[in-house]
Amino acid sequence: AQTVTQSQPEMSVQEAETVTLSCTYDTSESDYYLFWYKQPPSRQMILVIRQEAYKQQNATENRFSVNFQKAAKSFSLKISDSQLGDAAMYFCAYYVEGSNYKLTFGKGTLLTVNP
Amino acid sequence: SQTIHQWPATLVQPVGSPLSLECTVEGTSNPNLYWYRQAAGRGLQLLFYSVGIGQISSEVPQNLSASRPQDRQFILSSKKLLLSDSGFYLCAWSVDNTIYFGEGSWLTVV
Repeated sequence: AQTVTQSQPEMSVQEAETVTLSCTYDTSESDYYLFWYKQPPSRQMILVIRQEAYKQQNATENRFSVNFQKAAKSFSLKISDSQLGDAAMYFCAYYVEGSNYKLTFGKGTLLTVNP
Repeated sequence: SQTIHQWPATLVQPVGSPLSLECTVEGTSNPNLYWYRQAAGRGLQLLFYSVGIGQISSEVPQNLSASRPQDRQFILSSKKLLLSDSGFYLCAWSVDNTIYFGEGSWLTVV
């Protein structure tokens, strides 16, 4: 079965500091897409960043970047210069190519940003 | 631009009553559409997905059903709600190998 593990149920970071959220996944497929989503108190699921498994270069989106280690099946999210608005639940997810884009989600990491 | 709308945003329904949640996508044609549920303190679980009009695939057996009467419309229904149907329901669609979500609907069954 395909699974996603987020080993940190909760994390906290000081404003302007850097924090890394961990994610590991388990699939026997070689072609897949990985995602980090952010869910603020409004509950809307917002895409943060995407990584194609066939790309070796780590994806970046402004203050957000990933460390993708395909062999280790690890996909961590780094948030630099943390802002109060980054406080949210963060979900790691992926789908396998050819699966009709069916996402498998981790259980999430609750990030608190301290002023 | 492409957008997704989901309603109602909040719903309180008695046990045994029917349910209808609606999702509409704008700005694209023939999208893949999805219904996910998020129970309290949990990640998202895929309930249904659709690759076209009238084509519905169910991921988990349950008290719910889905329909796609039009290309950009996806409906989640139940004939008789159970307490266990309470949760946060999210409609989603896929474009450019990425999945985007609607605003979500809070369902409380009392």
